[in-house]
Amino acid sequence: GDSVTQMEGPVTLSEEAFLTINCTYTATGYPSLFWYVQYPGEGLQLLLKATKADDKGSNKGFEATYRKETTSFHLEKGSVQVSDSAVYFCALRRSNYQLIWGAGTKLIIKP
Amino acid sequence: ETGVTQSPTHLIKTRGQQVTLRCSSQSGHNTVSWYQQALGQGPQFIFQYYREEENGRGNFPPRFSGLQFPNYSSELNVNALELDDSALYLCASSFGGQAGRTGELFFGEGSRLTVL
Repeated sequence: GDSVTQMEGPVTLSEEAFLTINCTYTATGYPSLFWYVQYPGEGLQLLLKATKADDKGSNKGFEATYRKETTSFHLEKGSVQVSDSAVYFCALRRSNYQLIWGAGTKLIIKP
Repeated sequence: ETGVTQSPTHLIKTRGQQVTLRCSSQSGHNTVSWYQQALGQGPQFIFQYYREEENGRGNFPPRFSGLQFPNYSSELNVNALELDDSALYLCASSFGGQAGRTGELFFGEGSRLTVL
């Protein structure tokens, strides 16, 4: 069945470092792909999305490109801030609109 | 604009009991979906309601049931609670029967259920 695999955390970086959180997926057809973020004490929020191959989603300095050939949707940011500390979830949308989620990656940014 | 609100925020039950969790959807949204998030894991889809009808269900047993009301608020009911039901239960709302079509679900902060 459909699935999403994310790199295990926690990922600990210093402020202004480059961030990559890997996400790969298994799915039939052509799913839409998403990154959600959960800040401490808050609910899940959509960070960015891509709905077809080669699309690039971007928001708040974060980017991810839908790579069909490698079935990947890696999240990147050029210079992280302490305020980016959160748990990041990669997800795909099935044809019946159900979201399939990765296990989440906790990101810790140290000043 | 009022966001998604859930109640209660925390509760403790014992095995075999029943629980009802409530969700008020964001203003203007007519679709609600429920997810179960165990500690350290991603959310798992339970079911989805659109205009008071269930229109999608994940791999959860029938003791997980729900309702959606005319004002689009929703309830999740779990009967015969088991220890493994301990989790964070998330409600998400969106507009349109094809909830999640764009993936733009709006989540509440969740109800944390502990089953002893």
